[in-house]
Amino acid sequence: NAGVTQTPKFRVLKTGQSMTLLCAQDMNHEYMYWYRQDPGMGLRLIHYSVGEGTTAKGEVPDGYNVSRLKKQNFLLGLESAAPSQTSVYFCASSVTAHQETQYFGPGTRLLVL
Amino acid sequence: QKEVEQDPGPLSVPEGAIVSLNCTYSNSAFQYFMWYRQYSRKGPELLMYTYSSGNKEDGRFTAQVDKSSKYISLFIRDSQPSDSATYLCAMSEGATDSWGKLQFGAGTQVVVTP
Repeated sequence: NAGVTQTPKFRVLKTGQSMTLLCAQDMNHEYMYWYRQDPGMGLRLIHYSVGEGTTAKGEVPDGYNVSRLKKQNFLLGLESAAPSQTSVYFCASSVTAHQETQYFGPGTRLLVL
Repeated sequence: QKEVEQDPGPLSVPEGAIVSLNCTYSNSAFQYFMWYRQYSRKGPELLMYTYSSGNKEDGRFTAQVDKSSKYISLFIRDSQPSDSATYLCAMSEGATDSWGKLQFGAGTQVVVTP
């Protein structure tokens, strides 16, 4: 039981390039989330999903897109990376809508030059 | 102004001391309060969860919520070097239209020295 895994662990992009971050969970959780963590800002919710095929915007969705084609996977896409998207990205999942049960992945460090 | 304020630290304490952490918030609708621990280059892990006001104890950890003052605290007794981490407070309204939206503090870095 691996829990929540994220790939890649680290990536460097040039401004304007695109990429997809993959989150996978093996706990059969319905709910999945993408956060970004920046110094002094705490974790901020980008997008979330309440189940396969459904997604919704969080606090800071601009510049990102997501897809949940399979229950166990939640993809975060950057269509045209900007330096402001340099951050650490965390995926989380939960059994129910109660926030206290969110389980986090190890994070993806993204540097946009 | 941020909805959740947390002193970034670092907070350095000797082994065995009590660590005292706190967060203040502005949204009186918050009902669910959590503390997460995050080791360097790792994802956050849930430590404590409290609903509404009151105290909750779990081993060496005690969480307190004072909704009248919009203030929450986490105490770590008999601190160990393994407690060295960043501690994040988080909270939410818990309402149907905001269930997925945790508001996090920026985190307090704690260093426990042997």
